[in-house]
Amino acid sequence: GIQVEQSPPDLILQEGANSTLRCNFSDSVNNLQWFHQNPWGQLINLFYIPSGTKQNGRLSATTVATERYSLLYISSSQTTDSGVYFCAVTNSGGSNYKLTFGKGTLLTVNP
Amino acid sequence: DTEVTQTPKHLVMGMTNKKSLKCEQHMGHRAMYWYKQKAKKPPELMFVYSYEKLSINESVPSRFSPECPNSSLLNLHLHALQPEDSALYLCASSHSRGQGFDEPQHFGDGTRLSIL
Repeated sequence: GIQVEQSPPDLILQEGANSTLRCNFSDSVNNLQWFHQNPWGQLINLFYIPSGTKQNGRLSATTVATERYSLLYISSSQTTDSGVYFCAVTNSGGSNYKLTFGKGTLLTVNP
Repeated sequence: DTEVTQTPKHLVMGMTNKKSLKCEQHMGHRAMYWYKQKAKKPPELMFVYSYEKLSINESVPSRFSPECPNSSLLNLHLHALQPEDSALYLCASSHSRGQGFDEPQHFGDGTRLSIL
């Protein structure tokens, strides 16, 4: 099946810093989503971005489908940004019903 | 606020009990999903329903029994669970267009299940 690799696995920031999270995938995709899972377990949709660039406030994402990667940018980080960030994809060439998750990036933002 | 509602938020049960998890959405989505998430791991797909019919069972043990009584509701019936089944159970929904499931999935807040 499709492989999804996220980097870095862990990231510690001071409040106000910027960061870039990366997601590499091994095959063509027809769905790519970024999620934030907060410390209470809530899995929050950030972006649906199988291709192109989107922005939502301090967050933005870019997917370059032809090169099989996606980037999530967090600017002016806040302590409430802490949690795990997951990239998840469906494989257009394979099991296209299945949202395959990466292992996530654990982000800690210190005050 | 999440548009997919899961109840209960927490559940503690013994290995001989029978209980059910409930998931509800009113977004007109016709695909609904159950995922299981162990601590410090990503969610793993269990079941997919499309138009109220079970489409996918990811080789889940029979002690987990899904049910989709209508287009807005998804249940997960639990019986004779094992301690290793303790996890966060997440429900999701999405539009289902044609043969694919490539529409964005929206997740509920989950049920945290503990098996004694």
